[in-house]
Amino acid sequence: EVQLVESGGELVLPGGSLRLSCAASGFTFNTNAINWVRQAPGKGLEWVSAISGFGSSTYYADSVKGRFTVSRDNSRNTVFLQMDSLRVEDTAVYYCATVASTRYTLYYFDHWGRGTLVTVSS
Amino acid sequence: DFQMTQSPSSLSASVGDRVTITCRASQGISNFVAWYQQKPGESPKLLIYGASSLQSGVPSRFSGSGSGTDFSLTISSLQPEDVATYYCQRYNGAPLTFGQGTRLDI
Repeated sequence: EVQLVESGGELVLPGGSLRLSCAASGFTFNTNAINWVRQAPGKGLEWVSAISGFGSSTYYADSVKGRFTVSRDNSRNTVFLQMDSLRVEDTAVYYCATVASTRYTLYYFDHWGRGTLVTVSS
Repeated sequence: DFQMTQSPSSLSASVGDRVTITCRASQGISNFVAWYQQKPGESPKLLIYGASSLQSGVPSRFSGSGSGTDFSLTISSLQPEDVATYYCQRYNGAPLTFGQGTRLDI
């Protein structure tokens, strides 16, 4: 059974940094890209970032480009999202999700974690 | 900027009703559309991919159609457990884009 478990979300001051983790199990980790999607309180889904199976390709939404960095450690079956220069508008539940193909990094998502809440506030 | 315009934003229907939600892409995207269901307090769940393919384990009352710019999700006979918010998503390139969501109540 595929499992994705996000962690690392907490309350942080504007301008601060945070690193989120997504621990995966139940599938061959390095064959699947992982994406991050966020959802602000009471709002819709927003795609944030993607990383290919071996980490050679990364993608970012314009809203986070230059501030967020995605990486992965395939020996630990974990993907990270380093979030710097955080803004109030980054407040959201952050989900990691697997893409439903081993061929693509940007695709639809067949498994999602439960999410971790990031709150940016003074 | 690419947009997926979803309508309606909210919808109230009765058990047994046929319900349709639509999504319009700002450019043609062939059939690179997925639909998700998100129940309150839960993560999104994949329902439809490739505009019309039903994800394994999803009840057959859910169906999808469309190609190019206009897409739809239909629930043929609404059940109480279908209360949720539904999102379309295009996936033919960056940035991946979701519709604004449709909140479905009974």
